[in-house]
Amino acid sequence: NAGVMQNPRHLVRRRGQEARLRCSPMKGHSHVYWYRQLPEEGLKFMVYLQKENIIDESGMPKERFSAEFPKEGPSILRIQQVVRGDSAAYFCASSPGFRYYGYTFGSGTRLTVV
Amino acid sequence: ELKVEQNPLFLSMQEGKNYTIYCNYSTTSDRLYWYRQDPGKSLESLFVLLSNGAVKQEGRLMASLDTKARLSTLHITAAVHDLSATYFCAVDMDTGRRALTFGSGTRLQVQP
Repeated sequence: NAGVMQNPRHLVRRRGQEARLRCSPMKGHSHVYWYRQLPEEGLKFMVYLQKENIIDESGMPKERFSAEFPKEGPSILRIQQVVRGDSAAYFCASSPGFRYYGYTFGSGTRLTVV
Repeated sequence: ELKVEQNPLFLSMQEGKNYTIYCNYSTTSDRLYWYRQDPGKSLESLFVLLSNGAVKQEGRLMASLDTKARLSTLHITAAVHDLSATYFCAVDMDTGRRALTFGSGTRLQVQP
């Protein structure tokens, strides 16, 4: 049973390009959470999704960032027109249901904007 | 808004010593999580504390939860170098933001 799969592991983008980060939850998990970790800091919540629905996006920047979790396929975090400040590690977590005894984290995508 | 505070933020200790990391949170919750993160790696779940008075132990680590005081502790007994990592506590809630809110982390360095 594979864990939470994130890809790519490392992503380098030039300023102004788009970044697409993918997250496949654990089998049987229908809830996905995205977090951002800046260097030397804790994880900050971005968005919480269930299949085809955004449940809570209160942590998402208002512009350039979007997330989806389609009926088929992985969840996607999309960052348009990246800037240097977007450089961070982006982690995805999944759970079978809200507050269901814990969350499983993926290995993260390290985004570097040059 | 839920706030989670950890202290200390940085801890350098010698092998064989004991120490405690503290995690305070600002609003009612009965679920608290402890994670470990090694540099450049993901988060490894250590403990999930589900109720007031919960105590869990794994090896040299013991975690406890006091929901009345809104306080959790992570106690390290006879530290060894392998415990060097960053430790995060996190809380989730039934209402409001329905996801984990993390503390800033405690970077633990165990010196030989």
